Amino acid sequence: AQSVTQPDIHITVSEGASLELRCNYSYGATPYLFWYVQSPGQGLQLLLKYFSGDTLVQGIKGFEAEFKRSQSSFNLRKPSVHWSDAAEYFCAANRDDKIIFGKGTRLHILP
Amino acid sequence: GAVVSQHPSRVICKSGTSVKIECRSLDFQATTMFWYRQFPKQSLMLMATSNEGSKATYEQGVEKDKFLINHASLTLSTLTVTSAHPEDSSFYICSAIGTSGTYEQYFGPGTRLTVT
Repeated sequence: AQSVTQPDIHITVSEGASLELRCNYSYGATPYLFWYVQSPGQGLQLLLKYFSGDTLVQGIKGFEAEFKRSQSSFNLRKPSVHWSDAAEYFCAANRDDKIIFGKGTRLHILP
Repeated sequence: GAVVSQHPSRVICKSGTSVKIECRSLDFQATTMFWYRQFPKQSLMLMATSNEGSKATYEQGVEKDKFLINHASLTLSTLTVTSAHPEDSSFYICSAIGTSGTYEQYFGPGTRLTVT
């Protein structure tokens, strides 16, 4: 069955430190891949997406993600986090009109 | 571009009443819209897929008579929660697919429903 896995429910990093949020997918063929961020009580904001081509994708707010076919992964990274990055992050994938979300990773930032 | 709006952003209703939530694609035509429900600290759960001019397709376990979906135009889909109960209180999010062919979904800001 198709699935998206975010193995970390919570991640805590210090402000200014680097960040990596993990995402693995299970699909018959390589899906389109997305990372969204959700602040409390808000909708989803698209950070970046991968459809094809360059496997390192640049997004908004200084985020990037790398698609690794061999590992079925699409990990999100940021070299230096800011306190405003504290939020819920969702990895998602689709190949047709239905999008499948991971369960999310809540990012906490230490001052 | 590709903006999706929802109205209202917050609504409080009494148990037993019905409430309608609107989802609009503001600058593009959306042949397909989706309705999600999100419980606190959880991921989004797909409720139904709404195609313009046809009946919605509901996910398993979602009561179609309770959650009425209408997709009357290419820019508007509505979700009506009928005979609402406190357990229907949740965050409802809609999304719409554009015409890029990549099935990228654009999400609305969500509607917080509280049933008292």
